[in-house]
Amino acid sequence: NAGVTQTPKFRVLKTGQSMTLLCAQDMNHEYMYWYRQDPGMGLRLIHYSVGEGTTAKGEVPDGYNVSRLKKQNFLLGLESAAPSQTSVYFCASSSTPDRATEAFFGQGTRLTVV
Amino acid sequence: DQQVKQNSPSLSVQEGRISILNCDYTNSMFDYFLWYKKYPAEGPTFLISISSIKDKNEDGRFTVFLNKSAKHLSLHIVPSQPGDSAVYFCAVGYSGNTPLVFGKGTRLSVIA
Repeated sequence: NAGVTQTPKFRVLKTGQSMTLLCAQDMNHEYMYWYRQDPGMGLRLIHYSVGEGTTAKGEVPDGYNVSRLKKQNFLLGLESAAPSQTSVYFCASSSTPDRATEAFFGQGTRLTVV
Repeated sequence: DQQVKQNSPSLSVQEGRISILNCDYTNSMFDYFLWYKKYPAEGPTFLISISSIKDKNEDGRFTVFLNKSAKHLSLHIVPSQPGDSAVYFCAVGYSGNTPLVFGKGTRLSVIA
């Protein structure tokens, strides 16, 4: 039972490089989310999706793009990485976004932009 | 402006004693409240939740209390164990397609 899997787990990028973080869930969840965690800042929502083919902006969407072409996958893209994007990124999924269930998180991707 | 506040960045408790973690929220529309636990190098995991129709929910050593008039919730861990040492996030939500909002977290250290 894999749950939520993030790829890669670690990455170092140079400023200006691009990359895509992949999130895959095997729970048939409709809702998926990308968060970033920074020291003293908690978990901040970057983008989320309420179903296949949909995306929406969260609290800190600038500098990121996302796609949800398949229900089980949610991709987070950085087109031109900046040092401010150094963070730990968490993907999560849930069957509903609010009261009925909790969100399941992946193990995280630690990204360093130099 | 923060919708969810965990004002204590860290808390240290002796093993066997009670740990109390606090969380305040600003919007009275929130009607579902959760606590997540996070160990280093792992993703957060769901711990316990409570809906606005209750003021207490208990699960083993963990109890969550909700005071709607004060817009305050707390997590009690009794007795605290060294394995409880982690970062605890408070999260709130309400009806509709709106994701949970998380607090900044409180790092709990349980000392043997």
